[in-house]
Amino acid sequence: AQTVTQSQPEMSVQEAETVTLSCTYDTSESDYYLFWYKQPPSRQMILVIRQEAYKQQNATENRFSVNFQKAAKSFSLKISDSQLGDAAMYFCAYSRTNSGNTPLVFGKGTRLSVIA
Amino acid sequence: DTGVSQDPRHKITKRGQNVTFRCDPISEHNRLYWYRQTLGQGPEFLTYFQNEAQLEKSRLLSDRFSAERPKGSFSTLEIQRTEQGDSAMYLCASSPQTGGNEQFFGPGTRLTVL
Repeated sequence: AQTVTQSQPEMSVQEAETVTLSCTYDTSESDYYLFWYKQPPSRQMILVIRQEAYKQQNATENRFSVNFQKAAKSFSLKISDSQLGDAAMYFCAYSRTNSGNTPLVFGKGTRLSVIA
Repeated sequence: DTGVSQDPRHKITKRGQNVTFRCDPISEHNRLYWYRQTLGQGPEFLTYFQNEAQLEKSRLLSDRFSAERPKGSFSTLEIQRTEQGDSAMYLCASSPQTGGNEQFFGPGTRLTVL
């Protein structure tokens, strides 16, 4: 079974600084998706960034970028120029790619605080 | 707003009662997922549908849980004979059948079993 591990229950960052959230995963599949989802205090989950395992280039979305190390099964999220609105729970998630879109396997999350 | 909606947002019930939650997905999405999230944990998969067909059920989905999507649009999740351990946030998400697997989540239904 696939598992996702987030080893940092809580992180904090100064406004305008950079922070990196860690994630490792375990799978025997060669092709899959990895995601970072954000869950603000209102609790509606939104997608931050997605990485397809067969793509070697790291995904970027504005201030958000990932460091995808397939051999090491590592998938970290870097948030640059942190803003107060970035404060939230961040979940790393995995999904397989066969048979269309499939359920997500989530890590336990990292709570990010942004200090003004 | 055409996002995923869930009803009710909060439900308080007594142990042993039955409860039913509803999820309305984004209209053009034919896949619908249910997850359960307890405090301090990530969401855990319960079950998912393609149109009206239930494709997979997690081992977390005991016999007391049943989910339906009768016309391939909205879905219901029923919990019979609720237990205190059922207290959690129940999240619904939807996606197209293929294409990158971005899932769009609803606001959740928070269940408290007394």
